[in-house]
Amino acid sequence: QKEVEQDPGPLSVPEGAIVSLNCTYSNSAFQYFMWYRQYSRKGPELLMYTYSSGNKEDGRFTAQVDKSSKYISLFIRDSQPSDSATYLCAMFRSGTYKYIFGTGTRLKVLA
Amino acid sequence: GAVVSQHPSRVICKSGTSVKIECRSLDFQATTMFWYRQFPKQSLMLMATSNEGSKATYEQGVEKDKFLINHASLTLSTLTVTSAHPEDSSFYICSARDSSGGAETQYFGPGTRLLVL
Repeated sequence: QKEVEQDPGPLSVPEGAIVSLNCTYSNSAFQYFMWYRQYSRKGPELLMYTYSSGNKEDGRFTAQVDKSSKYISLFIRDSQPSDSATYLCAMFRSGTYKYIFGTGTRLKVLA
Repeated sequence: GAVVSQHPSRVICKSGTSVKIECRSLDFQATTMFWYRQFPKQSLMLMATSNEGSKATYEQGVEKDKFLINHASLTLSTLTVTSAHPEDSSFYICSARDSSGGAETQYFGPGTRLLVL
């Protein structure tokens, strides 16, 4: 079993839709959770950073962490064609700086 | 957010040559940098952790003599692919750890696309 599971997609949605992206993980020691956006042939760009459980909002993006269920989510409101990219979840536990990445979900927002 | 640069962005070389890729943190000091490899439509695969002033720590299955890493300063790490072969063709991405301000995160460079003929 992989430490982090993420549906690779592709996920296609119409412009303006609410997008929900998710990852599950198996290691309860993970405390730091990130979401990165990666455009084709580019490096990942940090979108959201969350420590422990709870919600965090930044503009159209909301990150949720449910440590009891070992489940994290990224919501994108009013999705735009420019949001079309691969979204990677990442996490690590205190004391180690080695990120564990999900496989990434390819998102396509259709105009 | 913090900025990390990589150079070159793209390189094509003949089989048997060595290629050096630079990774720089432009506006912060990074005691730790990471090197990843990414194949098309796949996730990032950590190759090694680079610590300033000490030897890199390689992941299982990564040949340390093949992929030489040097982290000579707090803003620069280099990856040298020695005697490159076509199977080394890939997208190489570095990241730099920023632990300033209490938040612990990695910022990624734009990546280097290597094609070995």
